[in-house]
Amino acid sequence: GDSVTQTEGQVALSEEDFLTIHCNYSASGYPTLFWYVQYPGEGPQLLFRASRDKEKGSSRGFEATYDKGTTSFHLRKASVQESDSAVYYCALRLNTGNYKYVFGAGTRLKVIA
Amino acid sequence: EAAVTQSPRNKVTVTGGNVTLSCRQTNSHNYMYWYRQDTGHGLRLIHYSYGAGNLQIGDVPDGYKATRTTQEDFFLLLELASPSQTSLYFCASSGDWGHYAEQFFGPGTRLTVL
Repeated sequence: GDSVTQTEGQVALSEEDFLTIHCNYSASGYPTLFWYVQYPGEGPQLLFRASRDKEKGSSRGFEATYDKGTTSFHLRKASVQESDSAVYYCALRLNTGNYKYVFGAGTRLKVIA
Repeated sequence: EAAVTQSPRNKVTVTGGNVTLSCRQTNSHNYMYWYRQDTGHGLRLIHYSYGAGNLQIGDVPDGYKATRTTQEDFFLLLELASPSQTSLYFCASSGDWGHYAEQFFGPGTRLTVL
């Protein structure tokens, strides 16, 4: 079945460090890929999305490039801030048939000032 | 601004109890979803719907029923609650296609089954 695998557990960084959270997917069709961010006490919210091979999504200094060849959509940020501390979810949505979304298990980012 | 609201925000019940979680969206979206969120599992889809009267089974449906009464309202029912259903529940809505494909989430309902 369709699935998303992302960096497990927690990532702890200092401010101004470089961030990478890995995301790989498996899907039978050509999915749209998403990164969502969830702050404490809130529901997830869209960070950005991409729907074509080599398309780059970006927002708030975060970016990821859709790579169909390696089935990846890794999240990167050049210099993290304490306010980036949150849980990040990689997700996919198939654009044919049903309209389910499939989420990864989430990665908690903790940035220490 | 897209809006999804959930009620109650917190609920405590006992094993075997009946619980109804409510969700309302004012986005005019056709699709609505119920998820549970548990540490180590992320967001898991329970049920979803693409319009009033429609119901689709998600990935973890056992022990849950759902009903979509209007385009705006989607309910999750636990008729014989068990401690394994203690979780944080999120409702979401989405449009059908393209630019509207993102999901908008509610603030969540924390359910504790004693």
